[in-house]
Amino acid sequence: DAKTTQPPSMDCAEGRAANLPCNHSTISGNEYVYWYRQIHSQGPQYIIHGLKNNETNEMASLIITEDRKSSTLILPHATLRDTAVYYCIVRARAGGTSYGKLTFGQGTILTVHP
Amino acid sequence: GAVVSQHPSWVICKSGTSVKIECRSLDFQATTMFWYRQFPKQSLMLMATSNEGSKATYEQGVEKDKFLINHASLTLSTLTVTSAHPEDSSFYICSARGLAGFYEQFFGPGTRLTVL
Repeated sequence: DAKTTQPPSMDCAEGRAANLPCNHSTISGNEYVYWYRQIHSQGPQYIIHGLKNNETNEMASLIITEDRKSSTLILPHATLRDTAVYYCIVRARAGGTSYGKLTFGQGTILTVHP
Repeated sequence: GAVVSQHPSWVICKSGTSVKIECRSLDFQATTMFWYRQFPKQSLMLMATSNEGSKATYEQGVEKDKFLINHASLTLSTLTVTSAHPEDSSFYICSARGLAGFYEQFFGPGTRLTVL
């Protein structure tokens, strides 16, 4: 699976949008971009995923550049409870020996402050 | 949404004993379950992948005789840490993936293992 690069930490004011970038310049055509987050001492929580189109759900929006080499996770109105480590993961589509595996990098520590 | 539970949430044991951790998918059938380990201030490391009814596939460097994985049903996988030592103290997290067409992995809350 392609490697991802994320900033180690970011701050955001409560109520403002949090924009978390991810670089995945070696992504291949059959790989999805997934975002998970991990609140301290809990298991990771699925947020959103996409292939090439922008995606939105009740938690966040995912913007993927046209060349698919980078993406941005947007939390539209961050709250204190959004403080967590956010992981951007590139994962193979169906098939292949690595199918289903999630390789976690170091992620971005997002701190939302009042 | 899909819910995955783990039991126990934390366990303290003496060095040399074995500890079993259960991972259950509560509202879906999990054909594949994954076991991760996370040391303090580090990221999750995949230990093994288990498919229901077959032997687990271990990642490089993970001792399969030390970390026994059983996935006997579509809703339960167990990880047994045999002859645990202090260096096995860690946060163990499982995840589950459902049947074909349902590709997302859903994670359990984790189990904190402390070996004295």
